[in-house]
Amino acid sequence: SQTIHQWPATLVQPVGSPLSLECTVEGTSNPNLYWYRQAAGRGLQLLFYSVGIGQISSEVPQNLSASRPQDRQFILSSKKLLLSDSGFYLCAWTLAGGWETQYFGPGTRLLVL
Amino acid sequence: GENVEQHPSTLSVQEGDSAVIKCTYSDSASNYFPWYKQELGKRPQLIIDIRSNVGEKKDQRIAVTLNKTAKHFSLHITETQPEDSAVYFCAARGGGADGLTFGKGTHLIIQP
Repeated sequence: SQTIHQWPATLVQPVGSPLSLECTVEGTSNPNLYWYRQAAGRGLQLLFYSVGIGQISSEVPQNLSASRPQDRQFILSSKKLLLSDSGFYLCAWTLAGGWETQYFGPGTRLLVL
Repeated sequence: GENVEQHPSTLSVQEGDSAVIKCTYSDSASNYFPWYKQELGKRPQLIIDIRSNVGEKKDQRIAVTLNKTAKHFSLHITETQPEDSAVYFCAARGGGADGLTFGKGTHLIIQP
């Protein structure tokens, strides 16, 4: 069966510091991968998605970037965090194709102070 | 791009009664409509989904209906129980690898 991991689970960072969040998927090949952000008490906003190694699509302009160095690894980064980057970051995956169910990882809770 | 509206933002029902949450979407090309349940501090969990070639789907106490002409879909929970209390999100996705566009969520409260 497939499993999705995210780390760290919780992170407190000062404004202006860099960020690296990691997501890995086990038990499947060539998944579509996604990064979402959920602000406190709010809905989920799609940030990036990837259909393959090195292929990244950005949904909203922001202070963040994403990379996919390996088939089942998806990384979310920032060079300088802003207060507004605080939130719950969720990685998700689907099998390739437009009809497949999307499953979420456990999430990383980021607080920028 | 896609826009999903969800109502109500908060819904309080008596235990045993039914709950209905409604969503509308803007992109007629969207073809997949999942519903997620999120408990406090946890990841969203898929509870039911429907594809555009189906008008209704049921799984025990949960059902979803889709009206493609009107571009709206609804979640129905019957015989509500305390463990149904959570935030529920609807979402829509177009074809291909597009990510999901979510509604803003409904906080469902089951009163004992």
